[in-house]
Amino acid sequence: AQKVTQAQTEISVVEKEDVTLDCVYETRDTTYYLFWYKQPPSGELVFLIRRNSFDEQNEISGRYSWNFQKSTSSFNFTITASQVVDSAVYFCALSASRRGGGADGLTFGKGTHLIIQP
Amino acid sequence: DSGVTQTPKHLITATGQRVTLRCSPRSGDLSVYWYQQSLDQGLQFLIQYYNGEERAKGNILERFSAQQFPDLHSELNLSSLELGDSALYFCASSVAWGSGNTIYFGEGSWLTVV
Repeated sequence: AQKVTQAQTEISVVEKEDVTLDCVYETRDTTYYLFWYKQPPSGELVFLIRRNSFDEQNEISGRYSWNFQKSTSSFNFTITASQVVDSAVYFCALSASRRGGGADGLTFGKGTHLIIQP
Repeated sequence: DSGVTQTPKHLITATGQRVTLRCSPRSGDLSVYWYQQSLDQGLQFLIQYYNGEERAKGNILERFSAQQFPDLHSELNLSSLELGDSALYFCASSVAWGSGNTIYFGEGSWLTVV
């Protein structure tokens, strides 16, 4: 069975602070993919990043960075110099290959509600 | 804008009724997924179709059904609705059906059952 844990239910920081959202996953599969999605107050789910299990390089995209560590089964997300527009619920998700290919959809964590105060 | 289109955006209906949610995937995507987001269950995978065929099934109730048509649009049918079916229903799409495909979500359909 697959599981994604986002232990931080809610985080509140002041604008311009750096913030890290934690994600810990469980899977028995050797090939799997990890994702982060953002859900702003308007409700849509916005894709942020996909990382496969064979690529442990950290990724940076502007103020966003991701730290993937297989040894601790974690895929953490850091926002540098946070802005009010970053306020949203952020979801970490996992997808693993089934025998014969394909997947049983994304397994999502419960999400972390990030509040950036001006 | 992800390119995935869902209608209607909001829907209010009574218990016992039946509704149909519609989804058009991104241009070129053959795989369509349906997810349910509720306060108590979080985001749950319901079902996946690829090029018209059902590929994977998640926590979809027997009262719910879906299909993908030859033009690749998909519909999710919810029947004998209960108060607990009130949720945000997402459609998503990807190019193919493997686990490594990026899945893009629509804006969702808010269903309220009263």
